[in-house]
Amino acid sequence: ETGVTQSPTHLIKTRGQQVTLRCSSQSGHNTVSWYQQALGQGPQFIFQYYREEENGRGNFPPRFSGLQFPNYSSELNVNALELDDSALYLCASSLELAVLNEQFFGPGTRLTVL
Amino acid sequence: GESVGLHLPTLSVQEGDNSIINCAYSNSASDYFIWYKQESGKGPQFIIDIRSNMDKRQGQRVTVLLNKTVKHLSLQIAATQPGDSAVYFCAEMGDSSYKLIFGSGTRLLVRP
Repeated sequence: ETGVTQSPTHLIKTRGQQVTLRCSSQSGHNTVSWYQQALGQGPQFIFQYYREEENGRGNFPPRFSGLQFPNYSSELNVNALELDDSALYLCASSLELAVLNEQFFGPGTRLTVL
Repeated sequence: GESVGLHLPTLSVQEGDNSIINCAYSNSASDYFIWYKQESGKGPQFIIDIRSNMDKRQGQRVTVLLNKTVKHLSLQIAATQPGDSAVYFCAEMGDSSYKLIFGSGTRLLVRP
């Protein structure tokens, strides 16, 4: 196992609702990246947090937002859920900012929007 | 734009044979590539990486080849085992230094 944990494992919401997903990074890792993985697709980068600041963002609307806490754990918040938000949400932690450091992925949270 | 794609969505091999999974990328400026393995119900697991100043890199039973001329990446798995059955993704480092761009994946099925 990678030492990266995510909660909850599964979640079912309805359109228009809001959801918060949580990620605990591997010990000592200060960088957390979030990815969305639709069924049968590769992960798509949402954003990255480094030392509590957003470091970069992919092509996702503002209703996708995040936080990183002083202990480097992180949250992904999605407002006004849409059916297309149904996916596996992955977080990955790395030792430092640059992607050239190996990213360790958690098992993901499976979100279903009805 | 940037894209990373795979030639074959599903690859079926006999146990003990060698497997080759291919990947094409479009961003000639990318200089770092990673192969991930994803088993059902799990997150992607790092297998091997390679930088653009290299053509080949070997790990335990795995080899990654990079052909920058044709922007092609491959993963070779020697003596494929049932435990190798999974979806394999290639990923590249995009224009930024923080973002990984993943391909859509190849499912490897190992026949006993």
